[in-house]
Amino acid sequence: QSVLTQPPSVSGAPGQTVTISCTGSSSNLGAGYDLSWYQQFPGTAPKLLIYANTNRPSGVPDRFSGSKSGTSASLAITGLQAEDEADYYCQSYDSSLRGYVFGTGTKVTVL
Amino acid sequence: VQLVESGGGLVQPGGSLKLSCAASGLTFSGSAVHWVRQASGRGLEWVGRMSSKDNTYATTYAASVKGRFTISRDDSKNTAYLQMNSLKTEDTAVYYCTRQIQEIVAAPAAIPFDYWGRGTLVTVSS
Repeated sequence: QSVLTQPPSVSGAPGQTVTISCTGSSSNLGAGYDLSWYQQFPGTAPKLLIYANTNRPSGVPDRFSGSKSGTSASLAITGLQAEDEADYYCQSYDSSLRGYVFGTGTKVTVL
Repeated sequence: VQLVESGGGLVQPGGSLKLSCAASGLTFSGSAVHWVRQASGRGLEWVGRMSSKDNTYATTYAASVKGRFTISRDDSKNTAYLQMNSLKTEDTAVYYCTRQIQEIVAAPAAIPFDYWGRGTLVTVSS
């Protein structure tokens, strides 16, 4: 029952652009709290992909980009590659819950 | 640079277990430590966090574990702990520890979870 909602799955062919949405509410994204994105491969720990809505840690390809507006945010993967097939999670803070929250997760499939 | 969790295993409902998270090669004492869990085939769930000494070692927990789980830390050993009591079958998951290098009270999500351990599996079953 996460407060951040993501589509269960998205898919695209190699080279295409896919976008993953993260929809929150007035107590998290709408309250101005920042958003991070994590990438997770099966059986491994999550890896930080985007922080503070739009920033990439060093080493993360610029094919990954984030945006945020109001109660929603998005992660775009341009020039999709086979190695991008993974689960992706958004994460923020919720003032009503007084804690950190993750999105429901999105599985990206490269066709 | 790594975080290594240990202490997972099989425990009966109602039982207790204490997980450890040992840090090496990275700044630990000034960081907040969080625990995140993931049930098999499910998404990530934030469990709780302990702040650094500068933030008075404050703790907060998810509603699902509040009153049953306790986070502690020993900065001299670069280690954090998750004491889990009154365990339920729904607590079965891989438990990850992760670091938040700095906490900004006015912007708690501004600093991400940058390093993660590989996780330790906790199975609650009779």
